[in-house]
Amino acid sequence: KAGVTQTPRYLIKTRGQQVTLSCSPISGHRSVSWYQQTPGQGLQFLFEYFSETQRNKGNFPGRFSGRQFSNSRSEMNVSTLELGDSALYLCASGGRAQETQYFGPGTRLLVL
Amino acid sequence: KNEVEQSPQNLTAQEGEFITINCSYSVGISALHWLQQHPGGGIVSLFMLSSGKKKHGRLIATINIQEKHSSLHITASHPRDSAVYICAVTFGNEKLTFGTGTRLTIIP
Repeated sequence: KAGVTQTPRYLIKTRGQQVTLSCSPISGHRSVSWYQQTPGQGLQFLFEYFSETQRNKGNFPGRFSGRQFSNSRSEMNVSTLELGDSALYLCASGGRAQETQYFGPGTRLLVL
Repeated sequence: KNEVEQSPQNLTAQEGEFITINCSYSVGISALHWLQQHPGGGIVSLFMLSSGKKKHGRLIATINIQEKHSSLHITASHPRDSAVYICAVTFGNEKLTFGTGTRLTIIP
């Protein structure tokens, strides 16, 4: 089975722009979670989608949003980018948070 | 506040040594995960456990629910084990909460 894929792998944006990141889960997985990793804050949970519904959300501002499509692929959008949004964005597929999570390689976003 | 603490933050050891990384959490959990992150960012899930002990190759993970503590052990450590090891737990809200990670370096 193919693993979790994320596109793009690297991205450079400027402040004020918006960005959309994509995640394709392992075939058959219906849950996709998104995480942000920064040197200062470490790994933090953004949100989780299951069967096209947001099931859980972390403590991030409304500029961060996501969605999941009927084929379980998920997108994450960040609007009005700030310098502090520079981070590695990881998605993971699997079952619920109590089950094994399979992580993608991440998208490294740099905001200038 | 739901917190996860890991120790040590950094660990350097000689090849072949027995390694222990610790994780403590503040309140009851439904599951605990041990993750491995290599340079470049990719994360691999090593274990998910809610009680007892699990073993995979040279890796062993244990959890003590009463003491709210888990340990990850590596036997016969090897330079390829060098990575950041992250403990993550799910509290009642089912969101994964992560520890700050332990950077392990194994010297040949």
